[in-house]
Amino acid sequence: QQQVKQSPQSLIVQKGGISIINCAYENTAFDYFPWYQQFPGKGPALLIAIRPDVSEKKEGRFTISFNKSAKQFSLHIMDSQPGDSATYFCAASPNDYKLSFGAGTTVTVRA
Amino acid sequence: GAVVSQHPSRVICKSGTSVKIECRSLDFQATTMFWYRQFPKQSLMLMATSNEGSKATYEQGVEKDKFLINHASLTLSTLTVTSAHPEDSSFYICSASPLGGQGGGTDTQYFGPGTRLTVL
Repeated sequence: QQQVKQSPQSLIVQKGGISIINCAYENTAFDYFPWYQQFPGKGPALLIAIRPDVSEKKEGRFTISFNKSAKQFSLHIMDSQPGDSATYFCAASPNDYKLSFGAGTTVTVRA
Repeated sequence: GAVVSQHPSRVICKSGTSVKIECRSLDFQATTMFWYRQFPKQSLMLMATSNEGSKATYEQGVEKDKFLINHASLTLSTLTVTSAHPEDSSFYICSASPLGGQGGGTDTQYFGPGTRLTVL
């Protein structure tokens, strides 16, 4: 049973547009929520992460929004570029550091 | 900073042989390393958690006698797939968490580039 539900499975966005990926969880023990970017044949790379004490975190074109009461968090990719085309995974972990991953979202940015 | 390497990047072996995959944290020390496997177009599945100097903790359904994990130092963990069979063919990825104060948090995981195992 997947502890973190991620949607959509895939999305296509035009260059310059906004990509939005959503994740939801049930385990209230989760206190660390990272997002990873993975290119084909490569390992995941940490993109940005948030903890429950803040509702939003921004790093460059990437923003995490976090809603603790709804147990949801999302990744926004602003001004999407063709180089952002990749698979994005949300994840969550409690204090034992084991990550539970979402199913992944394949993002395609059309030039 | 926070670079994790894996070796080899790709390996092809015959059914019944054993394969060893190395995972190294290059610029930080890691008390905890994790091993995942990933099937095409699927998410990462945690196989085991490896702590330096102690036995690995395996996830439910993962055969510990088939997937031997050794974490001999703060920068090296190895995964040995014993008596490999075609169904073991997969993408194996390790990750490492830095000791506190070395960047990120103690629960930040940095991933290696992965090892593609093909068993014929």
